[in-house]
Amino acid sequence: DVVMTQSPLSLPVTLGQPASISCRSSQSLVYSDGNTYFNWFQQRPGQSPRRLIYKVSNRDSGVPDRFSGSGSGTDFTLNISRVEAEDVGVYYCMQYTHWPRTFGQGTKVEIK
Amino acid sequence: EVQLVESGGGLVQPGGSLRLSCAASGFTFSSHSMSWVRQAPGKGLEWVSYISGSSSITYYADSVKGRFTISRDNAKSSLYLQMESLRAEDTAVYYCASGWGVDFWGQGTLVTVSS
Repeated sequence: DVVMTQSPLSLPVTLGQPASISCRSSQSLVYSDGNTYFNWFQQRPGQSPRRLIYKVSNRDSGVPDRFSGSGSGTDFTLNISRVEAEDVGVYYCMQYTHWPRTFGQGTKVEIK
Repeated sequence: EVQLVESGGGLVQPGGSLRLSCAASGFTFSSHSMSWVRQAPGKGLEWVSYISGSSSITYYADSVKGRFTISRDNAKSSLYLQMESLRAEDTAVYYCASGWGVDFWGQGTLVTVSS
């Protein structure tokens, strides 16, 4: 199975400051069609997960543009340009290039 | 508006069975693959199973293979997960999610396996 490793696992941030979460996969996530099937999800307290980013860098509809995704191959990053109070929660990466689909352990974002 | 509504969760004894359902609306259900993902209390996300739009392709996590069966009824826009031989470690909130990219999730249904 592809192992997804996130860092850090806990991220205290100051409102208005940037934040960055890393995710590394144990194998390349480039599929035979040339696409890289990699998502970022946000799970706010008490809510279901919500997809933020798909195929590395594409923002879902309604996702604020302060969220951005980047990376390639085995190394990926989620950036929040200026953290707001509503961004508190746990962020997960997920690959869907290989079977079984696998998630990272989650990164808990909290306000300092 | 896309909606996924799970049901069928509850308390079941170890070794027991349960059938989860997911009612979909707001999109062409038959054109989309579907998945089940679970989350144990206080833990992270674990992908469980996948089914293609036509039901011709299914995949399972090793942890549930041989015990869980995913199915769908496109006429009813519904997804199912038949769970057999349940174990304590199957205790979790079970989410259904739409699309190849697991793009939209329901609110989840809690399954508790305990004597």
